[in-house]
Amino acid sequence: AQKVTQAQTEISVVEKEDVTLDCVYETRDTTYYLFWYKQPPSGELVFLIRRNSFDEQNEISGRYSWNFQKSTSSFNFTITASQVVDSAVYFCALSEAFWAEYGNKLVFGAGTILRVKS
Amino acid sequence: DAGVIQSPRHEVTEMGQEVTLRCKPISGHNSLFWYRQTMMRGLELLIYFNNNVPIDDSGMPEDRFSAKMPNASFSTLKIQPSEPRDSAVYFCASTKSGQGAYEQYFGPGTRLTVT
Repeated sequence: AQKVTQAQTEISVVEKEDVTLDCVYETRDTTYYLFWYKQPPSGELVFLIRRNSFDEQNEISGRYSWNFQKSTSSFNFTITASQVVDSAVYFCALSEAFWAEYGNKLVFGAGTILRVKS
Repeated sequence: DAGVIQSPRHEVTEMGQEVTLRCKPISGHNSLFWYRQTMMRGLELLIYFNNNVPIDDSGMPEDRFSAKMPNASFSTLKIQPSEPRDSAVYFCASTKSGQGAYEQYFGPGTRLTVT
C-alpha cells in the first residue's frame, strides 16, 4: 500500500534561515513518482516539482532544492535563506506507475506548516 | 492558458439543501480529480475520472455524494442532502494520463459551508 509521512506538523523559522521539510514514503512498486505542492495562505495548491523513482539526481531551483534518496525512501525539500513569502503548507505526494495510465492517482502526506517570521 | 476553473468559489447553504460544485479542467487534460480538504482529515481524494469514465470512487463518503463528467470539459460534484459535516474546501484537479508521470493542476477550490 502507498503511504506518505510528513512527520513535521509545523516548523517555525526566522527569515534567512535554511529549513528542510521531511518526506518519507512507502510503496511496493519499483516505478513511482514523487511530488511536492505548496499551499499558501490564499488556499490554492501549487505544483513545485515531480521526480521519477529511477532518477535520483538531486534538483535545485533557485532557493529550493530536493534530496531524493531511495535507500531511505525519502524525498526531502530544503528552502535556503527562507523568506516570509515561503510561509505555507507544503505537501509531499506519491503516485505509483500503475496509475499513470489513468492520470496519476496521488497519495498525499498530511502536510507541514512552515511559518517564516521576519 | 486558463487553469482549472471551479464554481462557485464560496457556497453557504442550509442543512438538507442540494449543493452542486462545478469544474472545468485544463483543455487537453483527460483525467479529473475531486478532493476535499478539512483540518481534521487533510486532503482526501473523493473520486476521479479518466476519459470521462469514473475510475475510483472509493473516497466518496456516502450515497449523498455523486459526481458526473458528461464531457471532457465539465464535471460536477453533487451533495444531496447536505449536512454540516460536509463543510470543507473542495478542490478539482486535472492532468494528462499516459506513460510517465504528469503533475496534477488544481483549481482555486470551492469553500462550502453548511449551516
